[in-house]
Amino acid sequence: EDQVTQSPEALRLQEGESSSLNCSYTVSGLRGLFWYRQDPGKGPEFLFTLYSAGEEKEKERLKATLTKKESFLHITAPKPEDSATYLCAVQRRRHSGYSTLTFGKGTMLLVSP
Amino acid sequence: DAGVTQSPTHLIKTRGQHVTLRCSPISGHKSVSWYQQVLGQGPQFIFQYYEKEERGRGNFPDRFSARQFPNYSSELNVNALLLGDSALYLCASSLYTSRAYEQYFGPGTRLTVT
Repeated sequence: EDQVTQSPEALRLQEGESSSLNCSYTVSGLRGLFWYRQDPGKGPEFLFTLYSAGEEKEKERLKATLTKKESFLHITAPKPEDSATYLCAVQRRRHSGYSTLTFGKGTMLLVSP
Repeated sequence: DAGVTQSPTHLIKTRGQHVTLRCSPISGHKSVSWYQQVLGQGPQFIFQYYEKEERGRGNFPDRFSARQFPNYSSELNVNALLLGDSALYLCASSLYTSRAYEQYFGPGTRLTVT
């Protein structure tokens, strides 16, 4: 069974204070690891897909990295508008057309001015 | 381009009633998935449809059913509602990149069962 564990559950940062969120995963045959941002009461917003260990992706103040067992979402010099819940999900390699995601519980990030 | 759309936005139902939620995928996407998200948890997979065929089903009771139409829109039906069905129901449409199926989510339908 696929498993995704995110830590910490909640993180409070001061504006400009860089940090990292962790996503540990267990999956038989990883097709992709996904990061999403979710604002309260809204649907998840796609951020990154990582496919293999050693891969990195960047978008503005966010940088995602992947190893064989975990992924990190690094936030550099965060701003209050980065406050949200960040979700990590894995997709297992299965038959064509099957694309379900297994999610972690998320990390709730609060950035104070 | 329009993203994934869902209707209604909010819904209040009574225990034992039936509900139908609707989803329209991004133009060109042929796969639709449904997820349930309860407060404080990550989304949990319910169904996936690809080219109008069910391709996957999560660990949900038979009270939950879905279908996909020729225009790739989809409906999620839940019968005999329970208090525990209160959640945010998310629809996602998928695009296959060179290596994985990227899923894009709609805004969700907030279902409250009283």
